[in-house]
Amino acid sequence: GENVEQHPSTLSVQEGDSAVIKCTYSDSASNYFPWYKQELGKGPQLIIDIRSNVGEKKDQRIAVTLNKTAKHFSLHITETQPEDSAVYFCAASVMNTGFQKLVFGTGTRLLVSP
Amino acid sequence: TAGITQAPTSQILAAGRSMTLRCTQDMRHNAMYWYRQDLGLGLRLIHYSNTAGTTGKGEVPDGYSVSRANTDDFPLTLASAVPSQTSVYFCASSDTGGGFAFFGQGTRLTVV
Repeated sequence: GENVEQHPSTLSVQEGDSAVIKCTYSDSASNYFPWYKQELGKGPQLIIDIRSNVGEKKDQRIAVTLNKTAKHFSLHITETQPEDSAVYFCAASVMNTGFQKLVFGTGTRLLVSP
Repeated sequence: TAGITQAPTSQILAAGRSMTLRCTQDMRHNAMYWYRQDLGLGLRLIHYSNTAGTTGKGEVPDGYSVSRANTDDFPLTLASAVPSQTSVYFCASSDTGGGFAFFGQGTRLTVV
């Protein structure tokens, strides 16, 4: 089955710096890679996702890149702000008519200091 | 729109007792999921349902059961709770158009 590894487990940056979180996956059949942000006491919320027919996707300060050959994908946050502080999870799945058995990474705690 | 509603928000349960965690969605999504979240382990899939009337086992199904009598509800039952089931439980749903999974706010369960 699929296995997703995520690094680093914690990341501390100064406000305005960039943050990069990296994930690798094992199942070459995986074709859908979402990223979730989880704030304290809340459920995970999707912030960006990418499908395997795309190499990069951007949404304002957030971007995700995918390297299918190397089986890794990364989240890039630019101009970080204190409100970006949260736990971020990557995930991978085979998208099958909308049904997803997401396999999650173990999470990265991002702390943005003012 | 409420999205996904989970109940209760938290519960302390004696070992050996049974409990049902409730999950209701109002988005008419066909697929629903139950995950547990443990420190250092991320989120792991317990059970899922592609559509009403069908269910399947995820990565960590032992000790849990689910049912899907209709589109909106997907309860998770612990028949005889054990301390290792202490966790935060998240319900999620997704539609069949390839949409991403929405998550509920979670149920924090402590088995003592």
